[in-house]
Amino acid sequence: ELKVEQNPLFLSMQEGKNYTIYCNYSTTSDRLYWYRQDPGKSLESLFVLLSNGAVKQEGRLMASLDTKARLSTLHITAAVHDLSATYFCAVVSNTGNQFYFGTGTSLTVIP
Amino acid sequence: DTEVTQTPKHLVMGMTNKKSLKCEQHMGHRAMYWYKQKAKKPPELMFVYSYEKLSINESVPSRFSPECPNSSLLNLHLHALQPEDSALYLCASSQGGVHYGYTFGSGTRLTVV
Repeated sequence: ELKVEQNPLFLSMQEGKNYTIYCNYSTTSDRLYWYRQDPGKSLESLFVLLSNGAVKQEGRLMASLDTKARLSTLHITAAVHDLSATYFCAVVSNTGNQFYFGTGTSLTVIP
Repeated sequence: DTEVTQTPKHLVMGMTNKKSLKCEQHMGHRAMYWYKQKAKKPPELMFVYSYEKLSINESVPSRFSPECPNSSLLNLHLHALQPEDSALYLCASSQGGVHYGYTFGSGTRLTVV
């Protein structure tokens, strides 16, 4: 079974600082997704990374994918309070018929 | 229409009740999914319907019964639930499999008393 691990699980950071969330997965996959979830709400799609070396940016968030290292990163630049949420990465299985979600990273941005 | 609509948004039910969750999409997606999510945890896959047929059942207890009446509609029938079944239930759809990513519904917050 494909395993997906994120770290850190919990992240408390000050406004204006930079930080990176890491997503490691255990077997070959060339599609990785990042989602954001606010408390009690559903999942909001942030990025879809489809190939090795893919990089996507939206506002203060930038995601990248290294399929050889089986690693994706979500970089936060100059954090603001509105970014406080839980972030999940998800990887498509080799058979292509299932998502495997990471453990999630709960981010709190402190004013 | 680019949404997945779930009803109700909140549901409180007793352990002897029978209730149903409903999910609807009009994007022409051929795959639909039910997920269960406990607080602070990632979503867990329950069922997958592909072209209106059940293709994956992740060993879900029989007190959860899915139904896909047509390509736009997915139901989850609930009977004799336990308090530990209290969770956020998410429906999702995709164009033709997970390679196209998911569109998630807003979820149903279920409380079993």
